[in-house]
Amino acid sequence: ETGVTQTPRHLVMGMTNKKSLKCEQHLGHNAMYWYKQSAKKPLELMFVYSLEERVENNSVPSRFSPECPNSSHLFLHLHTLQPEDSALYLCASSRGTSGGRATDTQYFGPGTRLTVL
Amino acid sequence: AQSVAQPEDQVNVAEGNPLTVKCTYSVSGNPYLFWYVQYPNRGLQFLLKYITGDNLVKGSYGFEAEFNKSQTSFHLKKPSALVSDSALYFCAVRSILTGGGNKLTFGTGTQLKVEL
Repeated sequence: ETGVTQTPRHLVMGMTNKKSLKCEQHLGHNAMYWYKQSAKKPLELMFVYSLEERVENNSVPSRFSPECPNSSHLFLHLHTLQPEDSALYLCASSRGTSGGRATDTQYFGPGTRLTVL
Repeated sequence: AQSVAQPEDQVNVAEGNPLTVKCTYSVSGNPYLFWYVQYPNRGLQFLLKYITGDNLVKGSYGFEAEFNKSQTSFHLKKPSALVSDSALYFCAVRSILTGGGNKLTFGTGTQLKVEL
């Protein structure tokens, strides 16, 4: 176990549904990340939060809405998704504080396998 | 822009033989390089990283990686492969975000298959 948990592990939703993915880290880290992993594609960074503030938004469509209420929790709210959004969504965390640390390692959760019908 | 390339989609090796998974990088400044492994239906697990210092980095599960500045490479190696090493391996390069945290740019991954 890496100290990063994600729920649910599997999610099937219709295009008109609204659902949320949850990530929790037990490592005392300050930075949290959402990645998307699609078949045959490199991992795509979606969002980065540092000390609960969003510091990176990688041109992600507005149907994905992140929320970071505190440094231990990260959510990804989903609404009106498309079938091409089906993928494995990975959460990660690292120590990263303002200015970053060169040695920071990101630790990943097990992912949520999302299927959009 | 920083990037890494993994030239092989798949690597096959017999159990007990040495294995190498290749990675080359393109960065401005000093490279900070990582290797992760992903087992089926699982997240990524950190194996090792190069920040500075010795060019041979030792990591988890008997893996090591050799940093070669002149060849801009960071190949993952293991002296004796196990069937349980069969997984998807990712090389990544890190850049710092000014607002905090860091950004990993991943390669496309190499599927390692170790056979009896």
